[in-house]
Amino acid sequence: GQQVMQIPQYQHVQEGEDFTTYCNSSTTLSNIQWYKQRPGGHPVFLIQLVKSGEVKKQKRLTFQFGEAKKNSSLHITATQTTDVGTYFCAGPAGNKLTFGGGTRVLVKP
Amino acid sequence: DVKVTQSSRYLVKRTGEKVFLECVQDMDHENMFWYRQDPGLGLRLIYFSYDVKMKEKGDIPEGYSVSREKKERFSLILESASTNQTSMYLCASSSVGQGMSQYFGPGTRLLVL
Repeated sequence: GQQVMQIPQYQHVQEGEDFTTYCNSSTTLSNIQWYKQRPGGHPVFLIQLVKSGEVKKQKRLTFQFGEAKKNSSLHITATQTTDVGTYFCAGPAGNKLTFGGGTRVLVKP
Repeated sequence: DVKVTQSSRYLVKRTGEKVFLECVQDMDHENMFWYRQDPGLGLRLIYFSYDVKMKEKGDIPEGYSVSREKKERFSLILESASTNQTSMYLCASSSVGQGMSQYFGPGTRLLVL
């Protein structure tokens, strides 16, 4: 079945630095979605990318969907303590989503 | 905004008890889901439902059952709770028309003693 992998599993970032987390699917996706879960909270939908090569920005977050629609990336610029949490990517599989394992982001002040 | 509510934020039960977790969504979504989340194991799908009275097993259905009698409500049932079912339980809903993006409830942290 469809598998979605995320790397890295953990990301320690110095406040103010940039970083990128990656998402790879074993199958071509109709769309890719990103979610953020703050510590103690629940996953919250951030964005959906649909088109091959699509790039979307949300303030300091840049999301990209690969040309082959099998991978995606999330780049965070000038990391802040508010960016702490786990970021999940997910791709549709029928009526459900296949989630990646998540990248847990820890920010060092 | 989509709102997904869960009946309890925290629940403590004893081994062998029957446990009901309820989830309600207010956006007329067709699909509803139950996940459990444990440290280091990500989101694991227990069951989902794509219509009233319809259900499908997810990745870890053993020890659980579900009920969807009304479109807005999806219940997770632990027939005989065990300590290895201590976990965070998350409910979510989605609509076909929104690319299957899911909206999660706040979660129920269940402790089985």
